[in-house]
Amino acid sequence: EAGVVQSPRYKIIEKKQPVAFWCNPISGHNTLYWYLQNLGQGPELLIRYENEEAVDDSQLPKDRFSAERLKGVDSTLKIQPAELGDSAVYLCASSSRTSGSTDTQYFGPGTRLTVL
Amino acid sequence: AQSVTQLDSQVPVFEEAPVELRCNYSSSVSVYLFWYVQYPNQGLQLLLKYLSGSTLVKGINGFEAEFNKSQTSFHLRKPSVHISDTAEYFCAVSEDNYGQNFVFGPGTRLSVLP
Repeated sequence: EAGVVQSPRYKIIEKKQPVAFWCNPISGHNTLYWYLQNLGQGPELLIRYENEEAVDDSQLPKDRFSAERLKGVDSTLKIQPAELGDSAVYLCASSSRTSGSTDTQYFGPGTRLTVL
Repeated sequence: AQSVTQLDSQVPVFEEAPVELRCNYSSSVSVYLFWYVQYPNQGLQLLLKYLSGSTLVKGINGFEAEFNKSQTSFHLRKPSVHISDTAEYFCAVSEDNYGQNFVFGPGTRLSVLP
């Protein structure tokens, strides 16, 4: 079974440029998460999708960040314009919500963004 | 709101020695607890989780953790570490029945020395 796929793995851009990250979750997983991981810190949730609906985007900086999961499968996270402080690893995870169960989140390898 | 503390940012240990990575949490309700491992340039992988029942939880790669409600702790242990255990370890807590709204700790870097 293929795991969570993310691309690109690395991205270097200049500040004020736009950037987009792509995530393909494990097949059949209806819940998808985007996390931000700063160096030396734990992941912080940016947004969580249940199918195509964003059910928790309270931590997403909406002035410059946007996300979509149009068909409830793969997802794109965008930053426009990027700032120096956006340099971090962006992790995608997915899980399969089963009634009465606590489901494991499976993480992708992440996209390491460097803003110059 | 829940929070997670991992007091040790780095733990060096010699190969075949035992190790304990500490995790304390704060929450006003019942919680579900998790340990994840992150190898260099990889995503996070679940080691083990506590949902209910026995307070001693066994996970993959010989790791185990013990839930202590009175001390609000969930320390991770391994009786004999290997070089390949060198990685970043994250404790996480969720108050959600589905374990979906995670709060991660800052992580502990375990370095196993030959």
